[in-house]
Amino acid sequence: DTEVTQTPKHLVMGMTNKKSLKCEQHMGHRAMYWYKQKAKKPPELMFVYSYEKLSINESVPSRFSPECPNSSLLNLHLHALQPEDSALYLCASSQDGLPSNTQYFGPGTRLTVL
Amino acid sequence: GESVGLHLPTLSVQEGDNSIINCAYSNSASDYFIWYKQESGKGPQFIIDIRSNMDKRQGQRVTVLLNKTVKHLSLQIAATQPGDSAVYFCAENIGSNDYKLSFGAGTTVTVRA
Repeated sequence: DTEVTQTPKHLVMGMTNKKSLKCEQHMGHRAMYWYKQKAKKPPELMFVYSYEKLSINESVPSRFSPECPNSSLLNLHLHALQPEDSALYLCASSQDGLPSNTQYFGPGTRLTVL
Repeated sequence: GESVGLHLPTLSVQEGDNSIINCAYSNSASDYFIWYKQESGKGPQFIIDIRSNMDKRQGQRVTVLLNKTVKHLSLQIAATQPGDSAVYFCAENIGSNDYKLSFGAGTTVTVRA
């Protein structure tokens, strides 16, 4: 099973709202990732968690706040977003983050900020 | 096929023909490469990978070729089917950082019936 699940599938929010994106994997992977993808562009890395600790933050604005409650779950808390934050948000996981560990992606959450 | 080393953003292929998608990478220290397929409205799906100590790897209907001399990666799809229509991304792992994948710009493949 190489499945990463994400909820919700679609999300529309106003600039003053607070919402959360959720990601789950049951493959025993110890590295989990958040990516942002704009239309017709490749995914851009936002955060990496390794063994439930934040390992990489790619200078993401503080209106995006990641959380890793346990090894299977990854959340992305959203607050005071801007319309330009509208994008597909992808979660991925890999075995332990070492080179040559393949990242497996979820289906994404399509976020629209009004 | 396409010129070696030339990345094209789009590729139109007749159903049943073979497809060749090219990708150039820039870092000679890269040691792991992956091809992903992304269909409309979905997340990237792993297709095949290759390590830098190999030149060629085959999967089901797909072959990845790695030419380290010219830093070129290609994905060959045999007997292209309508379900192969998607955006294809190559990605490289730059060995100095364990977690990061550097993605190419992507090639949109359209299969003509």
